[in-house]
Amino acid sequence: ELKVEQNPLFLSMQEGKNYTIYCNYSTTSDRLYWYRQDPGKSLESLFVLLSNGAVKQEGRLMASLDTKARLSTLHITAAVHDLSATYFCAVDNPYNFNKFYFGSGTKLNVKP
Amino acid sequence: EPEVTQTPSHQVTQMGQEVILRCVPISNHLYFYWYRQILGQKVEFLVSFYNNEISEKSEIFDDQFSVERPDGSNFTLKIRSTKLEDSAMYFCASSERSGYQPQHFGDGTRLSIL
Repeated sequence: ELKVEQNPLFLSMQEGKNYTIYCNYSTTSDRLYWYRQDPGKSLESLFVLLSNGAVKQEGRLMASLDTKARLSTLHITAAVHDLSATYFCAVDNPYNFNKFYFGSGTKLNVKP
Repeated sequence: EPEVTQTPSHQVTQMGQEVILRCVPISNHLYFYWYRQILGQKVEFLVSFYNNEISEKSEIFDDQFSVERPDGSNFTLKIRSTKLEDSAMYFCASSERSGYQPQHFGDGTRLSIL
């Protein structure tokens, strides 16, 4: 069974600070997805990373993928309160594209 | 922007009763999925569906669960005899193709079993 691990699980930070969320997975895959979930809401697609070395940026968030290390990072630059949410990474099953394996999520709280 | 819609948003059901959760995937998508999220936990895969049949299912998706695409737009998840541990948020998702694309999620149905 493919395992996806995120850390930290909880992150409390001040506005203006930088931080990185890590996502490790247990099998070879070159497809990784980041989602955001606000409390009681659905999952919103943030980034799709489809190759080794892929880097995507949107506003204060930047995601990268290292398939050799089986690691993706989500970097937050100069955090603002609006970024408070739970962030999930997900990986395709490399042999069967029909399901995602999700990490446990990182609950981010940005304090004003 | 097209979106996945789910109804109802909240369903309260007595244990042992049948429940049907409904989803309308994005119209040009061909792959459909159900996931569940127990409160405070991660999102877990239940089942994927393509070309009118199940592509893959998880261990959670036992004989009490079934999926159906009764017409060209709806995609349903049925739980025949609900248990307390079925209480969760159920998300429907769809994608245009399998792999290399994000799955687009609906807002979910919160299922509460009493």
